[in-house]
Amino acid sequence: QSVLTQPPSVSGAPGQRITISCSGTSSNIGAGHDVHWYQQFPGTSPKLLIYANNKRPSGVPDRFSGSKSGTSASLAITGLQADDEADYYCHSYDSGLSGLAVFGGGTTLTVL
Amino acid sequence: EVQLVQSGGVMVQPGGSLRLSCVVSGVSISNKYMSWVRQAPGKGLEWVSVIYSAGSSYNADSVQGRFSISRDHSNNTLYLQMTSLRVEDTAVYYCASRISVTAMAFDYWGQGALVTVSS
Repeated sequence: QSVLTQPPSVSGAPGQRITISCSGTSSNIGAGHDVHWYQQFPGTSPKLLIYANNKRPSGVPDRFSGSKSGTSASLAITGLQADDEADYYCHSYDSGLSGLAVFGGGTTLTVL
Repeated sequence: EVQLVQSGGVMVQPGGSLRLSCVVSGVSISNKYMSWVRQAPGKGLEWVSVIYSAGSSYNADSVQGRFSISRDHSNNTLYLQMTSLRVEDTAVYYCASRISVTAMAFDYWGQGALVTVSS
C-alpha cells in the first residue's frame, strides 16, 4: 500500500488530454512538500518529467504539466501521442516519516 | 555529461549479503542528495535509502538495520550495503540523484541492477 495514491490505469485516444491524480494526506502533499513526476518505459530507468509541482526539466515537452492543490497533485498530458504510453509515478516527502521520500503506486497510461 | 553507472545484477541466497555500487561521472557527489530506489518485478517504485550532502543517512523501515548507504568521494561512488537479504528484497535497484534541479527530485538515475534473492 503506497503512501501516495494513484489510479492504476488511465487511457486516452491520440490527441486527447488526460490527467493522472496523486492523492496524499496532511503529512505529505498537504504539509507543503513538493510533488515530482516520473515517466518510466518498460525495462528502463525512470525519467524526471515534472519537479516542484509544475516545473519541467529541460527537454520535456510543454504537453506535460503538473499542478498541486491541498492534499493532491495532478499530471496532465495534452495532445496525447502513442509514445506517451508508459508508467507514471508521483513522488513527495512525508513529515510523518521523518521527512523521507514516498512514491505513488504508479499509473499505466494506455494510448488507445 | 553526468552519468550514473551501476554494478551488474546478481543472485544471492536468503540471509546473504551484497554491496551495490553506483559510479558517478561528470559531477562530484560530495555535495549531492542521493538515494537508492527499488522496484520489485511488476511493481512500483519504492524508496530505500538516502544520503544527504552533509552526510546524514536514513533508510526505509523495510530495510532498517539491514541496509546501509555510503559514499566514497575519492572514487565518486555511491554504495548500498545489503545484509540479511530476504526473498522480498528481490528487485531492480536504482541509484538516483538530484544534480541540476532546485527541488528534492531525482533528475539523474542509474541504469538499474537486478538483485535476485533465492535459494
